[in-house]
Amino acid sequence: KAGVTQTPRYLIKTRGQQVTLSCSPISGHRSVSWYQQTPGQGLQFLFEYFSETQRNKGNFPGRFSGRQFSNSRSEMNVSTLELGDSALYLCASSAYKGEETQYFGPGTRLLVL
Amino acid sequence: ILNVEQSPQSLHVQEGDSTNFTCSFPSSNFYALHWYRWETAKSPEALFVMTLNGDEKKKGRISATLNTKEGYSYLYIKGSQPEDSATYLCAFIGGSYIPTFGRGTSLIVHP
Repeated sequence: KAGVTQTPRYLIKTRGQQVTLSCSPISGHRSVSWYQQTPGQGLQFLFEYFSETQRNKGNFPGRFSGRQFSNSRSEMNVSTLELGDSALYLCASSAYKGEETQYFGPGTRLLVL
Repeated sequence: ILNVEQSPQSLHVQEGDSTNFTCSFPSSNFYALHWYRWETAKSPEALFVMTLNGDEKKKGRISATLNTKEGYSYLYIKGSQPEDSATYLCAFIGGSYIPTFGRGTSLIVHP
């Protein structure tokens, strides 16, 4: 089975722009979770989608949003980028629930200038 | 804000040494505790999902125990090898079903 894939792998944006990141889960997995990794805060939960519905949301501002499509692929959008949004964004998929074993993708490294 | 602490922050051991580290988490409203290994330039890899008090899981030379009543889990590595060098993360999942990660223990195994 192919693993979790994320695109793009690297991205450079400027403050005020918006960005969309994509995640394709393992085939058959229906839950996709998104995380932000920064040196200062560690790995923090953004949100989880299951069957096209947001199931859980972490403590991030409304500039961070996501969606899931009928094929379980997910996108994450960050609007009005700030310097502090520079981070590694990881997505993870699990068969049904985010509380189960999660399989992580390679991440998208975002740099905001 | 949930407090998930991992100690030590980093650890240097010699090849062949056995080692262990700790994950502390809230002792109330427990649902599950996950352990991950994260090697540099790779994705985090799931090691164990622990759900019951007294759980003990084993995968090769790595094992983990769980005490939900006192809020801690130990990860043990027997006979460390250089390929065990990685950051080991724990994630606490409580009643909200939202994973809260610790900051990790960075393990370096010297040949």
